[in-house]
Amino acid sequence: NAGVTQTPKFQVLKTGQSMTLQCAQDMNHNSMYWYRQDPGMGLRLIYYSASEGTTDKGEVPNGYNVSRLNKREFSLRLESAAPSQTSVYFCASSEFGRGSAEAFFGQGTRLTVV
Amino acid sequence: ELKVEQNPLFLSMQEGKNYTIYCNYSTTSDRLYWYRQDPGKSLESLFVLLSNGAVKQEGRLMASLDTKARLSTLHITAAVHDLSATYFCAVDGGTSYGKLTFGQGTILTVHP
Repeated sequence: NAGVTQTPKFQVLKTGQSMTLQCAQDMNHNSMYWYRQDPGMGLRLIYYSASEGTTDKGEVPNGYNVSRLNKREFSLRLESAAPSQTSVYFCASSEFGRGSAEAFFGQGTRLTVV
Repeated sequence: ELKVEQNPLFLSMQEGKNYTIYCNYSTTSDRLYWYRQDPGKSLESLFVLLSNGAVKQEGRLMASLDTKARLSTLHITAAVHDLSATYFCAVDGGTSYGKLTFGQGTILTVHP
């Protein structure tokens, strides 16, 4: 079982470049999330999609956009990368509204902006 | 705004000892999760606590939830080196579509 798959695993960008992080889940979950992890700060929510066709801002949305392409896929775009966006990015999915709503995480994307 | 605080942030233990990690949160919630993260890896779900008084155990780890005190604990019994990792608690803030607010994480190192 693949679970949540993110690509790429590593990326180095120059300031001002753009890129899209891809995320796909095969658990038929309704809800998907993007978090970033910085040292000493835990994970912080960037954007989420409660269900297909909806997206909403989380705690730290500035500088990012998202697209819920279909039920399986949720992408995160950096339009003009800044050094402050150097971080590890995690995609997650859950079946909110049913049972435990436990979130499952992808392997992460380590992004460096120089 | 929901805030989640863990303590301690750093924990150095000897093998065989017991210790507890605390997770306090600021607003009412009935859903609390514990995750483990190894260096350079993703988050692995350890426990899902869904109601007041919930207690779950897996091996040398036991987690509990007191929603009235807004407190969860992760107790480590007779620590072994393999438990060295970073542990996060995360709270689902009620009707928030499963959005999680994480604590800062506790870096646990178990020494021989």
